[in-house]
Amino acid sequence: DSGVTQTPKHLITATGQRVTLRCSPRSGDLSVYWYQQSLDQGLQFLIQYYNGEERAKGNILERFSAQQFPDLHSELNLSSLELGDSALYFCASSVGASGRSDQETQYFGPGTRLLVL
Amino acid sequence: AQSVTQLDSHVSVSEGTPVLLRCNYSSSYSPSLFWYVQHPNKGLQLLLKYTSAATLVKGINGFEAEFKKSETSFHLTKPSAHMSDAAEYFCVVSGVRGRRALTFGSGTRLQVQP
Repeated sequence: DSGVTQTPKHLITATGQRVTLRCSPRSGDLSVYWYQQSLDQGLQFLIQYYNGEERAKGNILERFSAQQFPDLHSELNLSSLELGDSALYFCASSVGASGRSDQETQYFGPGTRLLVL
Repeated sequence: AQSVTQLDSHVSVSEGTPVLLRCNYSSSYSPSLFWYVQHPNKGLQLLLKYTSAATLVKGINGFEAEFKKSETSFHLTKPSAHMSDAAEYFCVVSGVRGRRALTFGSGTRLQVQP
């Protein structure tokens, strides 16, 4: 158990809908990362937050957004869902962005499996 | 920009024989490198990491990896495979300081035959 929790574990929804995925980082971790794992694209970085602020963006669609709250949990919002958004969404956390590589090892949650029908 | 290439999409070994999963990286700076493992329908578990200390890195479950700068490689090895090692393995490189987004390789599926 990595200490990172994600809810829900599974989500089934229809095209055009909006969903919210939730992540709680390990105790003490300030950075949260979101990744998408799909069969055709593999594992891709979406976005990083550090202590409530966006720190880095990857291949995140404009239909997707995220935020990190004062209690450090994070939510990934996916809207206008398409069939191709079906994937496993992972959240990871690390101590911070201090520049020390030993503090930036990322620990992954169990993922949320999204199925868009 | 950084990237990783996992040279084999599938590797099959017999139980008790050595495991070698190959990874080459590309990075414009001194990278941090990782191996993660994903068992079926499970999340990602950190096996080991290289962060510019010793070039031979020991991880969990008997795995180790050697960082070779001259060859830009970070191959994962284990002396003796166990049935429970069957999983997908990802070689990963970290981004720049403060923006440590991970770049994943395409993965190597390890099969262990009895």
